[in-house]
Amino acid sequence: DVKVTQSSRYLVKRTGEKVFLECVQDMDHENMFWYRQDPGLGLRLIYFSYDVKMKEKGDIPEGYSVSREKKERFSLILESASTNQTSMYLCASSSPGLSTEAFFGQGTRLTVV
Amino acid sequence: AQSVTQLDSHVSVSEGTPVLLRCNYSSSYSPSLFWYVQHPNKGLQLLLKYTSAATLVKGINGFEAEFKKSETSFHLTKPSAHMSDAAEYFCVVSGTSGNTGKLIFGQGTTLQVKP
Repeated sequence: DVKVTQSSRYLVKRTGEKVFLECVQDMDHENMFWYRQDPGLGLRLIYFSYDVKMKEKGDIPEGYSVSREKKERFSLILESASTNQTSMYLCASSSPGLSTEAFFGQGTRLTVV
Repeated sequence: AQSVTQLDSHVSVSEGTPVLLRCNYSSSYSPSLFWYVQHPNKGLQLLLKYTSAATLVKGINGFEAEFKKSETSFHLTKPSAHMSDAAEYFCVVSGTSGNTGKLIFGQGTTLQVKP
């Protein structure tokens, strides 16, 4: 069974903290993605990576960075957490190509207080 | 640039009646289109996808969608709703960055199924 695993289901962090969200996939996929999900806005792409050490900004990269040192792992970093980053974060992976299915993790609900 | 618009944020149907979730897309080339479903406290799951083969696409759990290029639409339908269909549904278009299938999501439609 294919799997995308996010390290935490729920996180509570304080304003100004550096936050790491981890994602691991076991499907040997080249592509990995971080999305943010907010009610009424759908999923918005933060960053994606199409190869180890390669990354591209998505639609809302401000306040975030990413790291991909190994093919199976893609980390999202909030350099200095703020309350407006309280959200559900979803990681996904896929094979190359325009019509390939993306597989999603269960999500991490982050609350910044 | 690619984009999708889901025309209804909330749809309510009675169990056993048809379901219609509407989606319009914008794309400068022939798109790949998807419908994903998200049940409460569950991850996103692919329902079906269109990739320029047949315009009528069948998916899991009795759902299907029709690609209509002239109307730039990709509406999701099901003949008879079941209580277990209550969930949030996302219409998605595949954007491009090189060869990367970057998925662009609509705002989502919450489907409520009443007994």
